[in-house]
Amino acid sequence: NAGVMQNPRHLVRRRGQEARLRCSPMKGHSHVYWYRQLPEEGLKFMVYLQKENIIDESGMPKERFSAEFPKEGPSILRIQQVVRGDSAAYFCASSPRGRIDTEAFFGQGTRLTVV
Amino acid sequence: QKEVEQDPGPLSVPEGAIVSLNCTYSNSAFQYFMWYRQYSRKGPELLMYTYSSGNKEDGRFTAQVDKSSKYISLFIRDSQPSDSATYLCAMSSNDYKLSFGAGTTVTVRA
Repeated sequence: NAGVMQNPRHLVRRRGQEARLRCSPMKGHSHVYWYRQLPEEGLKFMVYLQKENIIDESGMPKERFSAEFPKEGPSILRIQQVVRGDSAAYFCASSPRGRIDTEAFFGQGTRLTVV
Repeated sequence: QKEVEQDPGPLSVPEGAIVSLNCTYSNSAFQYFMWYRQYSRKGPELLMYTYSSGNKEDGRFTAQVDKSSKYISLFIRDSQPSDSATYLCAMSSNDYKLSFGAGTTVTVRA
């Protein structure tokens, strides 16, 4: 039973380019959560999605960031026109129900570097 | 003021020692309290979960929550080199939005 798969593991983008981060949840999990970890800071909530629905995106920056979790395929976190401040580790977690605290597993993260 | 405060350390202890970690928080609505372990370049993995105040023990790990003081602790007994990692406290008032501390880096020396 594969865990939560995130790809790519490392992503380098130049300022102004787009970054697409993918998260394939564990089998049977229909809830996905995205968190961002900045250097020397804790993980910060970004967005919570169920299949085809955004439940809570209160942690997402208002501009340039978007997330989706389509009926088929992985969840995608998209960052347009990246800036140096977007450099961070982005983690997703998945769960079978809407309980991240006891039922979720985290992926290994995508480390985005903006140069 | 951060919502969750955690001393980043680093903390270095000899093998067999007790590791003591703690976090303080400001949001009295938090009801669920967790400790995660994160190895370098890996994702967080859940170690301990506690609902509301009290103690919970699991093998060498003990978690304590004192809601009146807004203070949580994690103790690791008989520490091993394999316990070397970053430990993150996290807490929430609902099912999906966790507030994390910055993490404490622990090294257990053989």
